[in-house]
Amino acid sequence: EDKVVQSPLSLVVHEGDTVTLNCSYEVTNFRSLLWYKQEKKAPTFLFMLTSSGIEKKSGRLSSILDKKELFSILNITATQTGDSAVYLCAVGLNRDDKIIFGKGTRLHILP
Amino acid sequence: GAVVSQHPSRVICKSGTSVKIECRSLDFQATTMFWYRQFPKKSLMLMATSNEGSKATYEQGVEKDKFLINHASLTLSTLTVTSAHPEDSSFYICSAPDRGRNQPQHFGDGTRLSIL
Repeated sequence: EDKVVQSPLSLVVHEGDTVTLNCSYEVTNFRSLLWYKQEKKAPTFLFMLTSSGIEKKSGRLSSILDKKELFSILNITATQTGDSAVYLCAVGLNRDDKIIFGKGTRLHILP
Repeated sequence: GAVVSQHPSRVICKSGTSVKIECRSLDFQATTMFWYRQFPKKSLMLMATSNEGSKATYEQGVEKDKFLINHASLTLSTLTVTSAHPEDSSFYICSAPDRGRNQPQHFGDGTRLSIL
């Protein structure tokens, strides 16, 4: 059975701290690993990773994929209260364009 | 701007009512759309894959007769929650893959369904 496991499930840090969110997966027909940020509505897209070892960056956020270890991390540096959200890791499959989501990491940034 | 439009964003209705939710791709064609359900503080659970011009594919444990899916055109899929009960209250989100852009899925804004 395909699965995506995220850790920690919840995290509380102070503004300015750096956080690392983890995602491991076991799937057949892997195509891509995806990170989303979800606040009150639907998830917003952050990154799509398909190759090992190539870091993707967007401002204070960065992510990298290890296809050998079946693992990805999402880093957020100099966190701000606006980073408080649920961060979802998902794996896109080759068959049927399906995406399998992890349970998410609920991140809360204290001012 | 939004490339997938989901409507309505919020529904409150009485038990026994059937509720239809629409998902439209605005500037691309979607032969496939996905419907998710999300419980409070939980992740997105894939309910079914909507296929244009053919029957939807349901995930294990999802009742086909309860959650009717119709994908009559390349830009519109509908999810109808039939004879809704309080346990059907949830956040429903649709998504559509856009093979023309470098992003795997576009999500609608979701529909919060509350059954009294």
